[in-house]
Amino acid sequence: EPEVTQTPSHQVTQMGQEVILRCVPISNHLYFYWYRQILGQKVEFLVSFYNNEISEKSEIFDDQFSVERPDGSNFTLKIRSTKLEDSAMYFCASLAGSSYEQYFGPGTRLTVT
Amino acid sequence: AQSVAQPEDQVNVAEGNPLTVKCTYSVSGNPYLFWYVQYPNRGLQFLLKYITGDNLVKGSYGFEAEFNKSQTSFHLKKPSALVSDSALYFCAVRVIPGSARQLTFGSGTQLTVLP
Repeated sequence: EPEVTQTPSHQVTQMGQEVILRCVPISNHLYFYWYRQILGQKVEFLVSFYNNEISEKSEIFDDQFSVERPDGSNFTLKIRSTKLEDSAMYFCASLAGSSYEQYFGPGTRLTVT
Repeated sequence: AQSVAQPEDQVNVAEGNPLTVKCTYSVSGNPYLFWYVQYPNRGLQFLLKYITGDNLVKGSYGFEAEFNKSQTSFHLKKPSALVSDSALYFCAVRVIPGSARQLTFGSGTQLTVLP
């Protein structure tokens, strides 16, 4: 069964450093998402991506964040200058055009020290 | 703005007993409703969804959920709990129309099934 994959599984970085989180969505899906889950809190929407552009973003997704689909398979989330409060689990998800349920990757745990 | 409430942070149930995990929602418009499960150190796994039609929907692993429009609820149920059902459960809503189709999640309910 196809699945969403994410790398790395755990990233430790120092405050102020740039990080890139990588995702490979399911191949025939059209909508792509990033969510985050701060430890012990709910899963929060960050950004959605469709037709090679951002379709919607939350208040969390400020100028420090960017997304890119550099080729036909990868979908990346970049944080330019990480802050302590960016420490969280980041989930990538994808959605087929004809479906309703999103499929989530296993997540990348980002720790900012 | 839409929101989802899961009023119980923790639900404990004995193995073999029925379980219910509660969810209520608030949206302007018709909702699409979902349940996801998260096992430790794993991603979110889709369990079931309500889109339209029959208010009782069945999903993976013997779970089902009942959509109640008048009570704006979408409670998750299972007739006989297993120890392996112990996990974190999230209710989510997607508003229609919504071009981006993103989900709004509840705060999660930790289900513990006791042997």
